[in-house]
Amino acid sequence: DVKVTQSSRYLVKRTGEKVFLECVQDMDHENMFWYRQDPGLGLRLIYFSYDVKMKEKGDIPEGYSVSREKKERFSLILESASTNQTSMYLCASSLRGASGIQYFGAGTRLSVL
Amino acid sequence: DAKTTQPNSMESNEEEPVHLPCNHSTISGTDYIHWYRQLPSQGPEYVIHGLTSNVNNRMASLAIAEDRKSSTLILHRATLRDAAVYYCGGDSNYQLIWGAGTKLIIKP
Repeated sequence: DVKVTQSSRYLVKRTGEKVFLECVQDMDHENMFWYRQDPGLGLRLIYFSYDVKMKEKGDIPEGYSVSREKKERFSLILESASTNQTSMYLCASSLRGASGIQYFGAGTRLSVL
Repeated sequence: DAKTTQPNSMESNEEEPVHLPCNHSTISGTDYIHWYRQLPSQGPEYVIHGLTSNVNNRMASLAIAEDRKSSTLILHRATLRDAAVYYCGGDSNYQLIWGAGTKLIIKP
């Protein structure tokens, strides 16, 4: 079975803290994605990566950065967390582009106080 | 901008068919149409996808309009376990353009 593992299910941070959300996949997928999920807004793409060290901005990249040093790991970084970044964060991976099936992690619910 | 729209919620009775609609107003000819669902406290999971013709798998069927501006996910016999939020999307340049999701409520 494909497995996408997000390092934390729940995270509470303070405003201004630097936050790292980690995601690991075990299927040798080229593509990895970070989404944010808010009620009524569905899934919004923050960043995606189609290869090691490669990244592309999604719809809402402001306030976020990403890192992909190894194929299996994709990190989302909040340089200075703010309360409006309180949300559910979902990581996904796929074999080829977006027309490949995306496999999701269980999500990290981040609260910024 | 690409746009995908879905109804906010739908209700259905258990063991009856369910038709979930999606509009893909700006989809292009080479973009696949995808459907995922999200059960409570889980990440989304793949249901089905297609390009032009109708598609069937063990979970559901996908009907795609001839002009590809709309699609319908069909659950042939809904069970309580099908209660979830269903997302449709069209892929474009590595990205899936997601709808906001339809919450499907199944009544026993």
